[in-house]
Amino acid sequence: DSGVTQTPKHLITATGQRVTLRCSPRSGDLSVYWYQQSLDQGLQFLIQYYNGEERAKGNILERFSAQQFPDLHSELNLSSLELGDSALYFCASRSTGEGNTIYFGEGSWLTVV
Amino acid sequence: AQSVTQLGSHVSVSEGALVLLRCNYSSSVPPYLFWYVQYPNQGLQLLLKYTSAATLVKGINGFEAEFKKSETSFHLTKPSAHMSDAAEYFCAVRIGAGSYQLTFGKGTKLSVIP
Repeated sequence: DSGVTQTPKHLITATGQRVTLRCSPRSGDLSVYWYQQSLDQGLQFLIQYYNGEERAKGNILERFSAQQFPDLHSELNLSSLELGDSALYFCASRSTGEGNTIYFGEGSWLTVV
Repeated sequence: AQSVTQLGSHVSVSEGALVLLRCNYSSSVPPYLFWYVQYPNQGLQLLLKYTSAATLVKGINGFEAEFKKSETSFHLTKPSAHMSDAAEYFCAVRIGAGSYQLTFGKGTKLSVIP
C-alpha cells in the first residue's frame, strides 16, 4: 500500500459526459501528480499541483482540468468524454522526506462507451 | 530533453533464469533514474532508484540495476526469475528540477515460463 488513495477504482460512462476522479496523497505530501496510462500512449504526465497551486503541466487536454484543495486532496475533472479517453488514470504524490520519491495510487479505470 | 528508451516490449524468461530488462536514458544533466513495476490490475510500485549515491542500486524483491554513464544505461536485473515476477516494468527519468515529474519508457512486459 503506497498510501495514495484514489476513487473510484472503476468507472463506466457515456461519451459526452463528465467525471471527477479523486486522489488523497500520502500523509504530509504536498505534491500531487496525475498521469494517464493508455495502450497507445503509454504513461503520460498530465499535471502537477504543489500545496494547492499548479506547478507543471504536461499533455493535458483542454477538456480536462484539475485542482488541489486546502486539505491537499486533488480532483481531476474530465469533460466531454470521448472513447479515446478510456484509460487508467493514476495519481501520485511526492515524499520530500524520502528523497523526493514519487508514490503512485492504484489508479482509476475509466471506460467511456 | 530527458527521456528513457526501453528495449523490448516483451521479454520471456524461464523460472530460475536471469532477468535482464534494458533501459537507456538521454539526459544533458546527471539523471535521476527509477524502475517501477506494475502487477496485473494494480498500480505502479517503486522497485529502485538511482540518485547518484552509488552506481549499483539494490531494490525490492531481489532486483538491482547498475547505472553506466558510458553506456547511458540503467538495466534492471534479477539473478533468478520467480513466477511472481511476471508484470510490466517501467523505467523512468526525473525531469524538471522544480517539479520532479517523471517521464516513463513504454514499458517491458515480463513473462516467466514455468
